[in-house]
Amino acid sequence: EVQLVESGGGLVQSGGSLRLSCAVSGFTLSNYGMAWVRQAPGKGLQWVSGISGSTTRTFYIDSVRGRFTVSRDNSKNTLYLQMDSLTAEDTATYYCARWNGYGDFWGQGTLVIVSS
Amino acid sequence: EIVLTQSPGTLSLSPGERATLSCRASQSVTNNYLAWYQQKPGQAPRVLIYDASSRATGIPDRFSGSGSGTDFTLTISRLEPEDFAVYHCQQYGSSPRTFGQGTKLEIK
Repeated sequence: EVQLVESGGGLVQSGGSLRLSCAVSGFTLSNYGMAWVRQAPGKGLQWVSGISGSTTRTFYIDSVRGRFTVSRDNSKNTLYLQMDSLTAEDTATYYCARWNGYGDFWGQGTLVIVSS
Repeated sequence: EIVLTQSPGTLSLSPGERATLSCRASQSVTNNYLAWYQQKPGQAPRVLIYDASSRATGIPDRFSGSGSGTDFTLTISRLEPEDFAVYHCQQYGSSPRTFGQGTKLEIK
């Protein structure tokens, strides 16, 4: 059974940092692209960052490029999102998803609240 | 960036009725790479349709997707009580991947 479990969210002050983790099971992480998608309270979904399976190329939306870093540790079956210089606009639930261009499996999400 | 506009914002229907949800793109979606998701309160999205018209594994056949280019439709042929949720479309033909703002399907 495919499972993705996020952790690491919480309350942080503006300008602070958080590292999100996504532990996966039921598939081999290195064989798949992965993504982080966020959803601000009461809002729609927004793709934030991705990492390819084979080449580990990374991708970001403009608003987080230079502040967020996506990475993976295949030996630990874990995906990460390092988030620095956080602002109130980054407040959202962050989901990790197995990504084939679209998300075929998703975690339950972890809430990040940035206080100003 | 491709902007996806979903309509209507809210759709009020009764169980057993047919639902038609629209997703319009600001420019043509390459290879019709469009997905539909269902999201219930407090839950993660679940993919229903990919490649505009292919049903994901385990999705009932009352869900169908159609369309091409800039106009796409999700149809639920006969609504079940568990179908009332928010539906999102997402394109993956161009970078960055973008989502629509969602359509809320509520019980009338």
